[in-house]
Amino acid sequence: GPKVLQIPSHQIIDMGQMVTLNCDPVSNHLYFYWYKQILGQQMEFLVNFYNGKVMEKSKLFKDQFSVERPDGSYFTLKIQPTALEDSAVYFCASSLGLGGNYAEQFFGPGTRLTVL
Amino acid sequence: GDSVTQTEGLVTLTEGLPVMLNCTYQTIYSNAFLFWYVHYLNESPWLLLRSSTDNKRTEHQGFHATLHKSSSSFHLQKSSAQLSDSALYYCALSDGSGTYQRFGTGTKLQVVP
Repeated sequence: GPKVLQIPSHQIIDMGQMVTLNCDPVSNHLYFYWYKQILGQQMEFLVNFYNGKVMEKSKLFKDQFSVERPDGSYFTLKIQPTALEDSAVYFCASSLGLGGNYAEQFFGPGTRLTVL
Repeated sequence: GDSVTQTEGLVTLTEGLPVMLNCTYQTIYSNAFLFWYVHYLNESPWLLLRSSTDNKRTEHQGFHATLHKSSSSFHLQKSSAQLSDSALYYCALSDGSGTYQRFGTGTKLQVVP
């Protein structure tokens, strides 16, 4: 089936540094998402993105977070500066649409971010 | 506003017993689509089931759910839990107008011997 790729699979970084998480969504999909899962907890929605713009974001999407997809390349989540509480697994997802059956989201394997 | 509610954060069941995970939703649109995603430890979430028409049951991999618009529900059920069913389960709502998608907070299903 369609696959979403995420690079890197693991990232260890010192608090205060910048990190960029990369996502290669399904090729014909138009909507992109980031989710955060702290160890042992449920996955939580961060942001969704369409046509070069953030459509919706949660309160977890702090000012230090930003997303972009320049020229149809990777869909990225940048955190600058990182904080200890940013340690989590970040899942990227994509979907063809938002409505009806087009809303099915395909998820990547996640990037495990550890902030020291 | 539009929302999805999963009342149980954790459900612990003995193997062989029936599974029922609750999902209710709120939307102003009459044309709602519901989904169940399953998330196994150290894997990616994936779509387990999607809703069909009102009061019609959909099934996949031993699980089933029926969209009931009268009660705004899409509960996930299985007749007999297996140890391998232990995972996080998310209910999600999409309206037919293509304006939003909402995930519930998720239910962790723990099946024990």
